[in-house]
Amino acid sequence: AQSVAQPEDQVNVAEGNPLTVKCTYSVSGNPYLFWYVQYPNRGLQFLLKYITGDNLVKGSYGFEAEFNKSQTSFHLKKPSALVSDSALYFCAVRAPFRGGYQKVTFGIGTKLQVIP
Amino acid sequence: NAGVMQNPRHLVRRRGQEARLRCSPMKGHSHVYWYRQLPEEGLKFMVYLQKENIIDESGMPKERFSAEFPKEGPSILRIQQVVRGDSAAYFCASSPAGRGYNEQFFGPGTRLTVL
Repeated sequence: AQSVAQPEDQVNVAEGNPLTVKCTYSVSGNPYLFWYVQYPNRGLQFLLKYITGDNLVKGSYGFEAEFNKSQTSFHLKKPSALVSDSALYFCAVRAPFRGGYQKVTFGIGTKLQVIP
Repeated sequence: NAGVMQNPRHLVRRRGQEARLRCSPMKGHSHVYWYRQLPEEGLKFMVYLQKENIIDESGMPKERFSAEFPKEGPSILRIQQVVRGDSAAYFCASSPAGRGYNEQFFGPGTRLTVL
């Protein structure tokens, strides 16, 4: 069974500092990995994904994530945090396509608080 | 291209009533997913549908809950005889057909409150 772990319920970072939101996964085969962001009282918005190729993936709003196969991690990063980045962040994993249905599994979410 | 639409945005029901939540996927998307979100519990998968077919309902309670995605019209999540524990935000997402690497597009959610 596949799973996603987001070990931190909340991450606090000062505005202008780099931020990292951690995600580790467990899946059979090479995974498809996703990051989503949720602002208060809104639905989730897609940020970026890793399918194959370059391990460093760049996404929306200056975010990037690095796929590390040996550590089974896909941490979300941003060089300089903004107060407007404060939101709930979800990591998700899907097993590779094998001709049939594969479920997407979401992590429990990490609340990012950027302090002015 | 309009995004995923959900209505109503807020729904209040008394215990024992029925709740009907609607989701219109993005144009061209044939896959619909329903999730439930509770504070401190993250996003819980409920059901995955394609047009006229339920593909995976492993996350949906066996009793009182049902879902459909007819050939014409929106997807419907129906909760019969609601209880206070059904109070939550329910999100719908859609994606195009593909090989699993397509991201999901989420609607704004329906916030159900059971009195």
